Formats: sequence, C-alpha cells, structure tokens
Amino acid sequence: QLQLQESGPGLEKPSETLSLTCTVSGGSIGSTSYYWGWIRQPPGKGLEWIGSYSYSGHIHYSPSLKSRATISVDKSKNQFSLDLTSVTATDTAVYYCTRGGDGSGRFMGRLEYWGQGSLVTVSS
Amino acid sequence: DIVMTQSPATLSLSPGERVTLSCRASQSVDSSYLSWFQQKPGQAPRLLIYGASTRATGIPARFSGSGSGTDFTLAISSLQPEDFAVYFCQHDENFVLTFGGGTRVEIK
Repeated sequence: QLQLQESGPGLEKPSETLSLTCTVSGGSIGSTSYYWGWIRQPPGKGLEWIGSYSYSGHIHYSPSLKSRATISVDKSKNQFSLDLTSVTATDTAVYYCTRGGDGSGRFMGRLEYWGQGSLVTVSS
Repeated sequence: DIVMTQSPATLSLSPGERVTLSCRASQSVDSSYLSWFQQKPGQAPRLLIYGASTRATGIPARFSGSGSGTDFTLAISSLQPEDFAVYFCQHDENFVLTFGGGTRVEIK
C-alpha cells in the first residue's frame, strides 16, 4: 500500500523559505508514470494546488505560486520536496503531498493518494 | 483561467436523504479531467469520483457523478452518518489543477 508522509518545520518566520519533504513508501517515485505534487489548505478554507512533478521530469506549477515555489525530487531517497520562498502569514496552511495520475502518464488531477498533511504556521 | 464554482456552500440534511451537489466551470471543460473529493475534519481529502462519473477504488455505490461541459453534479443517494463532510470538485486543464470552493454537508 502506497503511503506518503510530509515532514518539515511547523513554524516559519515571515520572509523565510518554507521547506517540506514528502517520503514515499510502498512504491517508487522513479519507476512509474505518476505525478508527485503538493496541495495546501489554509485553516478553515479550501484546497489550493501548488505544483506537481511529472514522471517525465517536467514540473508544473500553479501560475499564482510559480515565482516562489520549487519542487524537487530525490529518487535515491524516494522523496520529493517543496521550497516556498518569501513566506507571509497568508502561506499558513496544512500542506499535503499527493500522487496523481492513472499510471499511464495521464490525469495529473486524479489524486488517489495523499499524505496526512503538515501544518505550517508563518509567524514572527 | 478556469474557475470552478460550487453551490451551495452549505447543505443541512438528515441521514437517509438524497443530496445533489453542483460544480460549475467558467468555461466548457473536458469531463475526463473532472474529479470530486470528500474531506472530513482533520483528515486529508479522499478521491471519490474521477472522469466526472467513475467511482474511485472502494467508494460506495451510493456516490455517483454526472455532467458535461460546464455543469457537473455529485449525488449521494441516501446520506449515511459518515457522509457528512466537505466535498470539493477539481479540474485539470493543461496541467493546471483548479479546485472549487467546496460544499459542506452538515447534519440538520
């Protein structure tokens, strides 16, 4: 059974860089045609897609976060990461890592697997 | 950019009732890329429906999805106590994912 687990600091200061890592178990990031991505949810609000790493190496980002977000992958550790620069209080949210796709390289939004979420608070 | 609008924001219903949730896209979209998710308090969202009408693995038959073009619907034939939750629609357009604002289904 595939499992995803987010890890990272729960508190960041304004203007700093938020960094999170997702560790994947029960499956390999590099061996299958899926999309590995990040979704966030501010407290009491809706879901916002941040970006997704494609099996082909392409990385797709939300237009609204593209200038601040970087997704990277470490296949040797079966992990992928998110860096979000210049954070403010509006970046306070639960951050989820996800696996999307149908295994054939299509349907990035078919988010069948989610991590449990990691709350990141931006505050001085 | 495509905007996904869900209505109503909140529904107050009793167990056993049938419910239909609406999701409207700001322009016509490919239904193959339309998904629905359920989220309970303190939990990650769960994929219910993909391709507008296909139930994900393990999803009970009381959940059904339909629609095309700009209008999509999630129906629950008979609300069970565990179905009280928030429901989100989502669309994937040219590798950009957009979520609707969600509909909360609460106990009346």
